[in-house]
Amino acid sequence: GDSVTQMEGPVTLSEEAFLTINCTYTATGYPSLFWYVQYPGEGLQLLLKATKADDKGSNKGFEATYRKETTSFHLEKGSVQVSDSAVYFCALSDYNTNAGKSTFGDGTTLTVKP
Amino acid sequence: NAGVTQTPKFQVLKTGQSMTLQCAQDMNHEYMSWYRQDPGMGLRLIHYSVGAGITDQGEVPNGYNVSRSTTEDFPLRLLSAAPSQTSVYFCASSNGLAGGNEQFFGPGTRLTVL
Repeated sequence: GDSVTQMEGPVTLSEEAFLTINCTYTATGYPSLFWYVQYPGEGLQLLLKATKADDKGSNKGFEATYRKETTSFHLEKGSVQVSDSAVYFCALSDYNTNAGKSTFGDGTTLTVKP
Repeated sequence: NAGVTQTPKFQVLKTGQSMTLQCAQDMNHEYMSWYRQDPGMGLRLIHYSVGAGITDQGEVPNGYNVSRSTTEDFPLRLLSAAPSQTSVYFCASSNGLAGGNEQFFGPGTRLTVL
């Protein structure tokens, strides 16, 4: 079945540092890929997405590129802020094979220190 | 739009008690899902629905029942609560459109079973 593996945490960075959170996936079809963010005490919300190979999703300074050849969707940000402290989830969804369902990674906790 | 709403926000049960977690969405989404979130285990799918009257099991369905009598509502029933069901429960909905299947999450219900 489909699966998502993401970089284990927690990750602690200083403000303005570069962020990379690795995510790789296994899927039988051609899924869409997502990064969700969860702030303390809240539900998950979409950060960015990419729906086909070589697409780049971007939002709030975060970027991720859908790499079919390496089955990866790594999250990057050039300069993190304290307000980026949260849990980040990589996910995939294949409408053609599993409409309405998503598969999530275990989450990576990011803490940014001033 | 209120988006996805969940009630209650917090609940404490004794072993053997039953209860229903409520979920409603006002976005006319076809697809709705229930997930549980446990530390270090990401989100695991309990049950999902592809439309009114249609439900199916996810990864961890034992001990839970669902029904979908309307497009808007998707309640989750715990039949006889056990300490292993202590978790944070998230309801999500999506429009399931090909080319993307973004999940919209509720704020969660934090359940403790004593």
